[in-house]
Amino acid sequence: AQTVTQSQPEMSVQEAETVTLSCTYDTSESDYYLFWYKQPPSRQMILVIRQEAYKQQNATENRFSVNFQKAAKSFSLKISDSQLGDAAMYFCAYRSGRAGTASKLTFGTGTRLQVTL
Amino acid sequence: AAGVIQSPRHLIKEKRETATLKCYPIPRHDTVYWYQQGPGQDPQFLISFYEKMQSDKGSIPDRFSAQQFSDYHSELNMSSLELGDSALYFCASSLGGFGVGSPLHFGNGTRLTVT
Repeated sequence: AQTVTQSQPEMSVQEAETVTLSCTYDTSESDYYLFWYKQPPSRQMILVIRQEAYKQQNATENRFSVNFQKAAKSFSLKISDSQLGDAAMYFCAYRSGRAGTASKLTFGTGTRLQVTL
Repeated sequence: AAGVIQSPRHLIKEKRETATLKCYPIPRHDTVYWYQQGPGQDPQFLISFYEKMQSDKGSIPDRFSAQQFSDYHSELNMSSLELGDSALYFCASSLGGFGVGSPLHFGNGTRLTVT
């Protein structure tokens, strides 16, 4: 079974600064997908960024980028120019790439990000 | 763009009562997932459906059942409710099959309180 580990329960960053959230995972599969989801106080689950395991290039979405190290099974999220609206719980998630299935997301335990002035 | 719609948004039930949660996936999405999130916890997978057939089962109590209908909407039925069932219940939808890499899109959740 796949597991996702987020070792930082809480992080804090000043507005306009950069912060990196860590995530490691364990799997025996070679084909899979990794995601970061954001959950603000409203409790919505919002997709931040997605990475295909077969792609070496790190995914980027505006101020959000990942550092995907497949051999190390590491998938960190970098938030640049942090804004107050980035304050939320961030979940790292794994999804199997087996075709023809409805693969579920397996979540890490989350990192709560605080953004200070 | 259309999103995943869940109803009701809030539900208050007493112990031993029954609750039904509904989920309407994004149009053309053929896969529905149900997750339970307790306070301060990560979402826990309950069950999923692909093309109206149960696809995977997680930590879903025997008191709970679910199905996906011909129009792809799904319902989660919860019976003999216990205090510990109080949680936020998310439904998510995605493309399954060969769209397996597509992300899950979550609804706003149903907050169930059991008193």
